[in-house]
Amino acid sequence: SQQGEEDPQALSIQEGENATMNCSYKTSINNLQWYRQNSGRGLVHLILIRSNEREKHSGRLRVTLDTSKKSSSLLITASRAADTASYFCASYTGRRALTFGSGTRLQVQP
Amino acid sequence: GAGVSQSPRYKVAKRGQDVALRCDPISGHVSLFWYQQALGQGPEFLTYFQNEAQLDKSGLPSDRFFAERPEGSVSTLKIQRTQQEDSAVYLCASTRQGLDTEAFFGQGTRLTVV
Repeated sequence: SQQGEEDPQALSIQEGENATMNCSYKTSINNLQWYRQNSGRGLVHLILIRSNEREKHSGRLRVTLDTSKKSSSLLITASRAADTASYFCASYTGRRALTFGSGTRLQVQP
Repeated sequence: GAGVSQSPRYKVAKRGQDVALRCDPISGHVSLFWYQQALGQGPEFLTYFQNEAQLDKSGLPSDRFFAERPEGSVSTLKIQRTQQEDSAVYLCASTRQGLDTEAFFGQGTRLTVV
């Protein structure tokens, strides 16, 4: 069963707006990763944040991590139609493998 | 290779048929993972290899599922006597070593059992 839950399940915004997705997890982690999945395709790694980090940036992406609340958020700024995809958080506890959340389906309207 | 390659991309199997799904990881990647993704859900862990050793198979849903990586590179996921609930996308991922770094995923194999 999946460890993480993501919120919202679906999000629809206009091009140029910011999109924020949240992820919660249940147990202590080594790192948390965010992936994007376009319809019918594999997952693409976006960003990795370690348990001792609080914030990380990559281009238009900003990820925060709050280990006390066991939560993370992904912010996509100035969204584009090409950002339309499903976004998944995945936690790594140091055991087993990545545990994925249920995903947020983002629709960016041109 | 340039990325993780999975074949076939699509597979339709009649209930009761055996299937074999192939994964070619990125050359030199030590760790290989198999995931199962149902429609509209996140990937669920199946099994994990480090080189040729299967270190964790706790996610395999039944003894009809079997995975191997005999030479530490290409891996095959075999499903015997397929059932309708096996219909899903099967994803393979590889990493240089472990999961303290990003995982590279293949495009997946969409299995439909009819």
